[in-house]
Amino acid sequence: SAVISQKPSRDICQRGTSLTIQCQVDSQVTMMFWYRQQPGQSLTLIATANQGSEATYESGFVIDKFPISRPNLTFSTLTVSNMSPEDSSIYLCSVDSGWGGYTFGSGTRLTVV
Amino acid sequence: GESVGLHLPTLSVQEGDNSIINCAYSNSASDYFIWYKQESGKGPQFIIDIRSNMDKRQGQRVTVLLNKTVKHLSLQIAATQPGDSAVYFCAENMSTNAGKSTFGDGTTLTVKP
Repeated sequence: SAVISQKPSRDICQRGTSLTIQCQVDSQVTMMFWYRQQPGQSLTLIATANQGSEATYESGFVIDKFPISRPNLTFSTLTVSNMSPEDSSIYLCSVDSGWGGYTFGSGTRLTVV
Repeated sequence: GESVGLHLPTLSVQEGDNSIINCAYSNSASDYFIWYKQESGKGPQFIIDIRSNMDKRQGQRVTVLLNKTVKHLSLQIAATQPGDSAVYFCAENMSTNAGKSTFGDGTTLTVKP
């Protein structure tokens, strides 16, 4: 199955700043998915990123706040813009494993102060 | 073994006992279901999946049961070990909406030695 390298693994950021999270996959994949996991809670899909087209955002998430890039079939970035403490979460990327379920990166633990 | 109710956030079992983790899903159109295990500081890890044309599927020490009538999913872990301690999530998917997983709230399993 695919192996995902996600970074940074954690960061502490000042409110009002932005953080870009990177996901690198060791194989070409059509779709990459970005999730948010708020403290002690489940995962919520932010958006689906396809190479060569704009990301598709879920209800409650907008491009201005979470711009996504997908320059090729192995890489994607998610930016958390103009951060506030409410953005403190774990952010995860995932891809279709190809044989069952989805493979997730190890996550980026973001704390906004 | 110990069985939780329809959904409880925590489950504590003795090492060697069987564990049963339950999940209620929401969308009757969902046709693909996945159980994930998430250890502290890591992303969710695929355990087992089941499609809606089945009501039971077995893996190594794990069994998933699907009851479409009441939209209920369960994960059974045989001979639970300390390494099974983690948060367990169920996720529902629709084939027509590939990749867009809706995650349940999660159950924290603690295995006492």
